[in-house]
Amino acid sequence: ETGVTQSPTHLIKTRGQQVTLRCSSQSGHNTVSWYQQALGQGPQFIFQYYREEENGRGNFPPRFSGLQFPNYSSELNVNALELDDSALYLCASNPDTPFGYNEQFFGPGTRLTVL
Amino acid sequence: SQQGEEDPQALSIQEGENATMNCSYKTSINNLQWYRQNSGRGLVHLILIRSNEREKHSGRLRVTLDTSKKSSSLLITASRAADTASYFCATDAERGADGLTFGKGTHLIIQP
Repeated sequence: ETGVTQSPTHLIKTRGQQVTLRCSSQSGHNTVSWYQQALGQGPQFIFQYYREEENGRGNFPPRFSGLQFPNYSSELNVNALELDDSALYLCASNPDTPFGYNEQFFGPGTRLTVL
Repeated sequence: SQQGEEDPQALSIQEGENATMNCSYKTSINNLQWYRQNSGRGLVHLILIRSNEREKHSGRLRVTLDTSKKSSSLLITASRAADTASYFCATDAERGADGLTFGKGTHLIIQP
């Protein structure tokens, strides 16, 4: 157990809808990152938040957005869902400063299916 | 885009044998890490090797890093059925703030 939790476990949405995924990091972990993992692929970096500010972003469009809160929880929001957004979404936290990528503590993921 | 490529994509061995998987990457890195994933769930950190290190051990795991060839290998000795999982290498670029870049993974099956 990494101490990182995500909700919900599974989610089914239809194309065009909006979705919010939630993550609770370990206490003291000021950095949280979100990853998208398509079936049969490795995780792809979406963005990172450090102390409630986005400070790094991968190759994802603006309809992917996030929030981080002072209580070590965070959200990933995806607007205008597309079929290709179907994937496992993982959050990962760590106690590092924004530019440190030591051991990442991953949550169990949220499986999103877009119909 | 995915920087790393693991090789082989899949590996099936008998319990007790050693398993070796390789990873190649494209850009200069700070660290290289290996993670394990069971059945499409969360990833578990196994080991981290820094760019100025060449070899690292942790229990039954041995990792090597060759920065001149931009490659790494993970050796699992005396494999067990519980080692059945997908294994990913992940790198973080020298520039930082770009997250970890994962390969597509090696799916390891340990036959009892």
